[in-house]
Order: sequence, then C-alpha cells, then structure tokens
Amino acid sequence: DIVMTQTPLSSPVTLGQPASISCRSSQSLVSSDGNTYLSWLQQRPGQPPRLLIYEISNRFSGVPDRFSGSGAGTDFTLKISRVEAEDVGVYYCMQGSQFPLTFGGGTKVEIK
Amino acid sequence: EVQLLESGGDLVQPGGSLRLSCAASGFTFSSYAMGWVRQAPGKGLEWVSVILGAGGSAFYADSVKGRFIISRDTSKTTLYLQMNSLGAEDTAVYYCATYIRSFDVWGRGTLVTVSS
Repeated sequence: DIVMTQTPLSSPVTLGQPASISCRSSQSLVSSDGNTYLSWLQQRPGQPPRLLIYEISNRFSGVPDRFSGSGAGTDFTLKISRVEAEDVGVYYCMQGSQFPLTFGGGTKVEIK
Repeated sequence: EVQLLESGGDLVQPGGSLRLSCAASGFTFSSYAMGWVRQAPGKGLEWVSVILGAGGSAFYADSVKGRFIISRDTSKTTLYLQMNSLGAEDTAVYYCATYIRSFDVWGRGTLVTVSS
C-alpha cells in the first residue's frame, strides 16, 4: 500500500499570510496512464470534506485561486497564498494512482 | 447541482449488519464511479470502497474486504453499502462521494455506531 505522509501536523498562520503543507508518498504516484492522481481535500470543522485540487495542480470547480498545488513523483505541496478565516480546518492529501486509495493523516490549519 | 444524501446509519451491536444508502441527483449516475469513505470519531479519512461506472468493478479496503459489499441501483440513482460482521472499529461517519477526478462531491455523511 502507498503510505501518504503529511507535514506539519498543525500549522498556525496569521490571517493574510501564506501557508504551505507537504505531502510525501512512499512510492511514485505516476500512474500507468502517465497521470499523477494526487489530490487535496479540505475539511472545515463540522463539515464533510471538500475537493480542492486534483491531479497535483488542478483546482476543482469553485475553489479560490489562492489555493495552488505543485509537485511530482513522491513530493507534493499545497499552498494557500493568503490565509482567510474560512480556510481553518484540516487538509488531507490523497492518492488515487492505485488501490487501495490512501489519505495522508491530515494537517490542521488554524489562525494564530 | 450534484447532491448526495446518505442514510441508514444507526447504533448496531457487534457482529450485526447494516445497509447504508446514498441517494444521488444532479448528474448521470450510471456514468460515474462512486465511493465510500469513513471517518472514525476524531480521526482522519479512511477509504472504504469504490464501484466503477455502470456494471463496473468494485474495490475494497483490506479492513472491510469480505464483510462489506458496495452496489448501485441505476434506476433509483442510489449507492449502497451492505456492512456485515460489524465491529467497534467500524464506528465512524460514512460519506459517499462521486469518484471522477478524485472524490469530487461528498454527501454530509451518516453515523454508524457499533456498540453493545
């Protein structure tokens, strides 16, 4: 199984400042079709998860452009250019390149 | 607008069974893969199962393989999860989601509690 490791576990951020979350996979996420199925999800307190980014860097419908994804192979990053109050929550990376699908442990973003 | 509404969560005794439902609307249900993801209280997300488009294959996490069965009824645009031999470790909120680019759209979840 592919293990997804996120850092940091918690990220206190000042409003308006950037935030960055790393995700590392235990093996390459480049699929046999050449695509890399790494996505990022946000879970606000008391809410279901919500897809932010798919295939490393593609923003899902309705996601603000302050969210961006990057990376390749086994190392990936989610960046929030200027954190807003509504961005508080837990962020998960997830790999869809092979079954079983696996999630990272989550990174909690909170306001300082 | 894509909407997913889970139901069927309940308190069940260890060893018992439960069937979850996920009513879908707003998209061509038969064309897309669907999945279940669960979240134990205070914990992270755990993938449970995915079923591919109409007549497609099903995949399961090792933790539920042989106990859970995913299925879909295209006439009712409903996804199901039959859960058997439930244990305390299955206590969680169960979410259904479309599985297209990733888990694209999620329902609000239904709580399953396994306890005597």
